Amino acid sequence: SQQGEEDPQALSIQEGENATMNCSYKTSINNLQWYRQNSGRGLVHLILIRSNEREKHSGRLRVTLDTSKKSSSLLITASRAADTASYFCATYSGGSYIPTFGRGTSLIVHP
Amino acid sequence: KAGVTQTPRYLIKTRGQQVTLSCSPISGHRSVSWYQQTPGQGLQFLFEYFSETQRNKGNFPGRFSGRQFSNSRSEMNVSTLELGDSALYLCASSSGTSGGRTDTQYFGPGTRLTVL
Repeated sequence: SQQGEEDPQALSIQEGENATMNCSYKTSINNLQWYRQNSGRGLVHLILIRSNEREKHSGRLRVTLDTSKKSSSLLITASRAADTASYFCATYSGGSYIPTFGRGTSLIVHP
Repeated sequence: KAGVTQTPRYLIKTRGQQVTLSCSPISGHRSVSWYQQTPGQGLQFLFEYFSETQRNKGNFPGRFSGRQFSNSRSEMNVSTLELGDSALYLCASSSGTSGGRTDTQYFGPGTRLTVL
């Protein structure tokens, strides 16, 4: 089964609104990474947050990590049509060097 | 700097055949990882090569194999293709210096394999 599970599976918003998606995981992690994938293309790395960090920012992106709840959230502020994509979280648990990806959240931003 | 390139971009094969996919990493990157993406199973890690050696391996049957050359280019081979092997195969390169867990991975556009 997947280590990370994104929620919601799909999200549809208007340009300018904020988009929040969540990732829950099962076992303790070393770090958690968020990626974006445009339709049928390769993934683009967005942010890495380590297990001892609680929040990270990158431009319009804000990622939080709550290790007690085994969850992370990705917030995209002032969304744009170009943000339309699928967003995945990936975790490295314990001593593993193998990333486990969630199923992804499909985000549609309407202009 | 040129990005990660994968060839071919699209491939159609029949059951029982074998296929070889190629990945050229970003110049200077020594690690290449391969992933399979399907609607049913999502993104799954196949294996990672670093300096011509397989460093990590996912949970795939032996029909899936790979190799890395001295220039860091990598190939992935799938023998005796099955219908379920139809997928988008992605490769990603990174510097590989942190052992993989904290390196930023740069993904190629993928090879879409269809098995008939």
